[in-house]
Amino acid sequence: DQQVKQNSPSLSVQEGRISILNCDYTNSMFDYFLWYKKYPAEGPTFLISISSIKDKNEDGRFTVFLNKSAKHLSLHIVPSQPGDSAVYFCAASDGNKLVFGAGTILRVKS
Amino acid sequence: DTGVSQNPRHKITKRGQNVTFRCDPISEHNRLYWYRQTLGQGPEFLTYFQNEAQLEKSRLLSDRFSAERPKGSFSTLEIQRTEQGDSAMYLCASSPQGVWETQYFGPGTRLLVL
Repeated sequence: DQQVKQNSPSLSVQEGRISILNCDYTNSMFDYFLWYKKYPAEGPTFLISISSIKDKNEDGRFTVFLNKSAKHLSLHIVPSQPGDSAVYFCAASDGNKLVFGAGTILRVKS
Repeated sequence: DTGVSQNPRHKITKRGQNVTFRCDPISEHNRLYWYRQTLGQGPEFLTYFQNEAQLEKSRLLSDRFSAERPKGSFSTLEIQRTEQGDSAMYLCASSPQGVWETQYFGPGTRLLVL
């Protein structure tokens, strides 16, 4: 069973606009959530995280929102840049291991 | 550079052979994790260590897989009698004490079993 789902396999956005990537989870025991960015032939790179006691965390152009009642989180990138083009993974922590979604391919067009 | 390093980066082997991968975590990170990623999927947890103790193993880790972290520093992942279904990217990650959830990944070892 997929405990973490990213329902959009891909997203295309114009440079300068907002990119919104979504993620849903089913296990209410998850207490920490992370977003990773991955380029081809590289390992995932940590981007931003949020604890379950918060509903928003911001770091520069990246903001993560958490809606616990809906078991939903999203990553906003503003403004989007061509260098943001990559695969983005949502992950949830049970305190030990991370459970990942299948990823969303983001393409930022210049 | 003090990131997580993995060797080799690529490995091609024939079915039935044994392979071993190495991971060097970020210095002083107590926890070390192994994940496996196949095409179109996110990384899947295999096992993790806190210092030299292996604390959790996934059901994905069949008896052909063994991982060690003998001195609490680097780790090795061995796959015996490889099968074509073992072809994947094997990722290692580490995390510091007190911030276990934030895991930093290495570049991975891509395994192809012919």
